[in-house]
Amino acid sequence: GAVVSQHPSWVICKSGTSVKIECRSLDFQATTMFWYRQFPKQSLMLMATSNEGSKATYEQGVEKDKFLINHASLTLSTLTVTSAHPEDSSFYICSARGGQGLHEQYFGPGTRLTVT
Amino acid sequence: QKEVEQDPGPLSVPEGAIVSLNCTYSNSAFQYFMWYRQYSRKGPELLMYTYSSGNKEDGRFTAQVDKSSKYISLFIRDSQPSDSATYLCAMTDSNYQLIWGAGTKLIIKP
Repeated sequence: GAVVSQHPSWVICKSGTSVKIECRSLDFQATTMFWYRQFPKQSLMLMATSNEGSKATYEQGVEKDKFLINHASLTLSTLTVTSAHPEDSSFYICSARGGQGLHEQYFGPGTRLTVT
Repeated sequence: QKEVEQDPGPLSVPEGAIVSLNCTYSNSAFQYFMWYRQYSRKGPELLMYTYSSGNKEDGRFTAQVDKSSKYISLFIRDSQPSDSATYLCAMTDSNYQLIWGAGTKLIIKP
C-alpha cells in the first residue's frame, strides 16, 4: 500500500515553454501533497504544500507564479513549470500524506526535467 | 548550523559488514525520526520511523533514537550490494514538516 506515481519520469522541454508534472496517490486518498526539488548530490528541498481543494502554500523563495500547483482531487496533484529556463532543470519529487498519520509521507519516483 | 547534520560520505564497506549511519539534530521539539533510502534517480523510500528513544528493529535494519543526546542511528546488518544507495534521515517539526539531513551515500562492495 501507499503507492505514489509520477508522470512523466523524464521530460525535456525548450526554454520558454511550460511543462506539467502529475502526481497520483494510487491506493489511498492524499489530503496533503508536497512538491520537492532535488539538485544532484543534495537533499530534498520543499517547494510547496497543497491540501485538496485549497491553494498551495509555497516555501520562501519559491515563485508561485512560476511553479503552479493544483490539487483538485484527493488522488491527483499537478505541478506546472511555466516559462521554463535551463536553471529550472532539476529532479522534482512529489509526496503524499493520507490517513496513515501526519508524520508519514510517501514519495513518488520523481521527474527529471531538462530545459534546453 | 543546520538543524539536522548528516555526513554525506561516501561510506564504503565490504559485503556482509554491519553499517552504521547517523544523524544529529539541534531541535528538541522534533517528534518523529525517519530513515529513507534513495536509489539514484528515484524518489525516497520510507524504511523506518520511530517516535520515542530506544531501538526499533525491522529485518536487517535497526533504528535507534537517543533524544537526550539528539542523536539517531540506522544499523544495517549483513549488508548487501543492493543496499548501496543514499540514506536520508528526516525529522518532523511541530507542523509535521520533514526536516532533512544531507543524506549519506552508502557503497557495499561485493
